[in-house]
Amino acid sequence: DQQVKQNSPSLSVQEGRISILNCDYTNSMFDYFLWYKKYPAEGPTFLISISSIKDKNEDGRFTVFLNKSAKHLSLHIVPSQPGDSAVYFCAASAIGWSGGGADGLTFGKGTHLIIQP
Amino acid sequence: NAGVTQTPKFQVLKTGQSMTLQCAQDMNHNSMYWYRQDPGMGLRLIYYSASEGTTDKGEVPNGYNVSRLNKREFSLRLESAAPSQTSVYFCASSTLEGNIQYFGAGTRLSVL
Repeated sequence: DQQVKQNSPSLSVQEGRISILNCDYTNSMFDYFLWYKKYPAEGPTFLISISSIKDKNEDGRFTVFLNKSAKHLSLHIVPSQPGDSAVYFCAASAIGWSGGGADGLTFGKGTHLIIQP
Repeated sequence: NAGVTQTPKFQVLKTGQSMTLQCAQDMNHNSMYWYRQDPGMGLRLIYYSASEGTTDKGEVPNGYNVSRLNKREFSLRLESAAPSQTSVYFCASSTLEGNIQYFGAGTRLSVL
């Protein structure tokens, strides 16, 4: 069963508009959430993250919102630019055996964002 | 500024052949990971090493072995490759305390 779900395989947005990518999770133990961006033939690149003690984190054009009660998070990109066209992965982790770092990330299947000129 | 380096970038194997995927990081990270990504899927954890000297199974460990050679290097071995292991393999590293993982560029493996 998928613990992290990205229900939109693709999303097309006009340049300059807002892009909103959604992610749902089922595991209540998840306490840290990340978004990665991936271009073809490259590895995923860390974009932004949020801890479960917060409900919003902002970094430039990127904002992540977390709704713990709904087990839902979203990534907002404003304004969208052509270079934002990529696959975006939502990932989650739970406190690992060390009580600190993650044992590994659980990924969603990704959303392919296409920015139209 | 290399970060996480994976070799080789591409590999074609015949069923039953063995090979080792190499991964090295220069960020002085304690933890290292191996993931695979199949078409239309997210990344799935194969094995991880939280610190030098320890390794643990992830979600899909069958058919693989790993070695944490030292703090910098973490290798993934396929003893007898199968077509189901055709995939893109990513290595990642992170600090022990941090949840942010940094990824290599991947190894694209085809098993015929």
